[in-house]
Amino acid sequence: KQEVTQIPAALSVPEGENLVLNCSFTDSAIYNLQWFRQDPGKGLTSLLLIQSSQREQTSGRLNASLDKSSGRSTLYIAASQPGDSATYLCAFPSGTYKYIFGTGTRLKVLA
Amino acid sequence: EPEVTQTPSHQVTQMGQEVILRCVPISNHLYFYWYRQILGQKVEFLVSFYNNEISEKSEIFDDQFSVERPDGSNFTLKIRSTKLEDSAMYFCASSEPLGGWEQFFGPGTRLTVL
Repeated sequence: KQEVTQIPAALSVPEGENLVLNCSFTDSAIYNLQWFRQDPGKGLTSLLLIQSSQREQTSGRLNASLDKSSGRSTLYIAASQPGDSATYLCAFPSGTYKYIFGTGTRLKVLA
Repeated sequence: EPEVTQTPSHQVTQMGQEVILRCVPISNHLYFYWYRQILGQKVEFLVSFYNNEISEKSEIFDDQFSVERPDGSNFTLKIRSTKLEDSAMYFCASSEPLGGWEQFFGPGTRLTVL
């Protein structure tokens, strides 16, 4: 059974810091991996999708990498801002392409 | 840009009542999904749907739940007799193979069972 772990569970940093969020999974045979942002009580905003043939994707201040052999993906946020405060989730398809979600990292960026 | 839409955004119901949550997937997508997120918990898979039938369902998706694609555009989740523990955010998603199986999520319906 696929297990997904996100570390740290919560993170509080001063504005301007660069930070790394981690997503670990047990089964390396994944098709792609997607990072989402979720604001409190709100829906899922897709940030980045990494296909299994890719090693990383970039969008603005966000960079996500995927290492299937080690069962790990990282989301790098450069020059963090208070507006980045949210919960960040990783997810990927398993079985009949249903998504398995991680437990999330709650990020707070202090002004 | 195409998007998945869901209605209503918030539904309040009494325990034991039936509710229908509605979703309009992206028009050229063929695979549809429902997920739920209980407050403070992780997003959980409920059911996937392809070619007018369920392709996979989780343990959560018991006989109280059903899904339907009634008219070629809408995709619905029905809960026959709601329980307090059904209170959650319900997300609909759709995908298609040519998009690398990326799933596109709707904004969610918050269901509150009193």
